[in-house]
Amino acid sequence: AQTVTQSQPEMSVQEAETVTLSCTYDTSESDYYLFWYKQPPSRQMILVIRQEAYKQQNATENRFSVNFQKAAKSFSLKISDSQLGDAAMYFCAYRPPGDMRFGAGTRLTVKP
Amino acid sequence: KAGVTQTPRYLIKTRGQQVTLSCSPISGHRSVSWYQQTPGQGLQFLFEYFSETQRNKGNFPGRFSGRQFSNSRSEMNVSTLELGDSALYLCASARGPGGETQYFGPGTRLLVL
Repeated sequence: AQTVTQSQPEMSVQEAETVTLSCTYDTSESDYYLFWYKQPPSRQMILVIRQEAYKQQNATENRFSVNFQKAAKSFSLKISDSQLGDAAMYFCAYRPPGDMRFGAGTRLTVKP
Repeated sequence: KAGVTQTPRYLIKTRGQQVTLSCSPISGHRSVSWYQQTPGQGLQFLFEYFSETQRNKGNFPGRFSGRQFSNSRSEMNVSTLELGDSALYLCASARGPGGETQYFGPGTRLLVL
């Protein structure tokens, strides 16, 4: 069964604009971690942001922020002031006690 | 601090052969996880090692195995290669197991002919 769902296979944003990538997950655990990773054409997976489920405050990292809705099991990523270098595949990941599970990814295109 | 390194970066094998991939974690990291990435199945967890012990294993056949050494370096072995084993194999290291953030290596691209 799919644990992590990214419903947007592809997204496009204009440079300097804001875009939001969606992610939902299925779990019965109360303690877990959520991540967004970026994979550019080089295929190197790069950590974008991390959220602990026990924290109510949404994580932020410079232009990247999340909207974590624990009850709804939703974990969206907002990219502000999009830059050409943000173009990549973005993977949402969920880590319960045990292995890490990834969504299918969202391909983000940034238009100049 | 040096990142996660994986060797070799590219590999071509034929069906029936076996292959060993290597991963050196970030200094001080004791947890190493392996993932397989394919266009059809996406990113799938293979196994996780911490302090030379396998902690978790994904849903892969016994042809896939791994180990971790006392210096935290890890190797992954695939025996009797099949065409479907062609993939990008990613290694990730973390300070410890559980919710610690994983940092990924550049991957080994394996092509099975």
